[in-house]
Amino acid sequence: AQSVAQPEDQVNVAEGNPLTVKCTYSVSGNPYLFWYVQYPNRGLQFLLKYITGDNLVKGSYGFEAEFNKSQTSFHLKKPSALVSDSALYFCAVRVYGQNFVFGPGTRLSVLP
Amino acid sequence: NAGVTQTPKFQVLKTGQSMTLQCAQDMNHEYMSWYRQDPGMGLRLIHYSVGAGITDQGEVPNGYNVSRSTTEDFPLRLLSAAPSQTSVYFCASSYAFAGSYEQYFGPGTRLTVT
Repeated sequence: AQSVAQPEDQVNVAEGNPLTVKCTYSVSGNPYLFWYVQYPNRGLQFLLKYITGDNLVKGSYGFEAEFNKSQTSFHLKKPSALVSDSALYFCAVRVYGQNFVFGPGTRLSVLP
Repeated sequence: NAGVTQTPKFQVLKTGQSMTLQCAQDMNHEYMSWYRQDPGMGLRLIHYSVGAGITDQGEVPNGYNVSRSTTEDFPLRLLSAAPSQTSVYFCASSYAFAGSYEQYFGPGTRLTVT
């Protein structure tokens, strides 16, 4: 069975500092990994995905994520956080022929 | 493109009432799905469809029905509402079930059952 863990319920970071939102996963097979962001009272928006190839994936709004197969992790990063990055972030995984599985979410607060 | 649309945005039901949450997409996506979002639990899959006429159950299907008569529409029916169904419901679509395609989400329906 597939599963996704986001070990931090909440991440606080000062504006301008780098941010990391952690995600680990467990699957049988090769994973496709995704990050989504949810702003208040909105649906989820796709940020980026890893399919294969380069372990560093770049996405929308300056976000990037690093796939680490040995640690089964897919952490979301941004070099310099903005107050407008404050939102709920979801990691998701799927394998070929299976449905998406989402993590519980991490609330990011960027403090001015 | 409007993307994925959902109606209504908000709904209050009494226990035992039934209703249908509407979902439509204009991207000609094969795969559509319904999730519920509850605090601390992420998104849980209720039902999904890999194409018109084909539906299947997800992780938490009890109390919900779906049908997919067209590619565009994927309504979710609550048969007899219960307070445990108070949640935010999201519809999503993707180009295909197989492969690495991301999902596109609707704005959600906030449902309260009293």
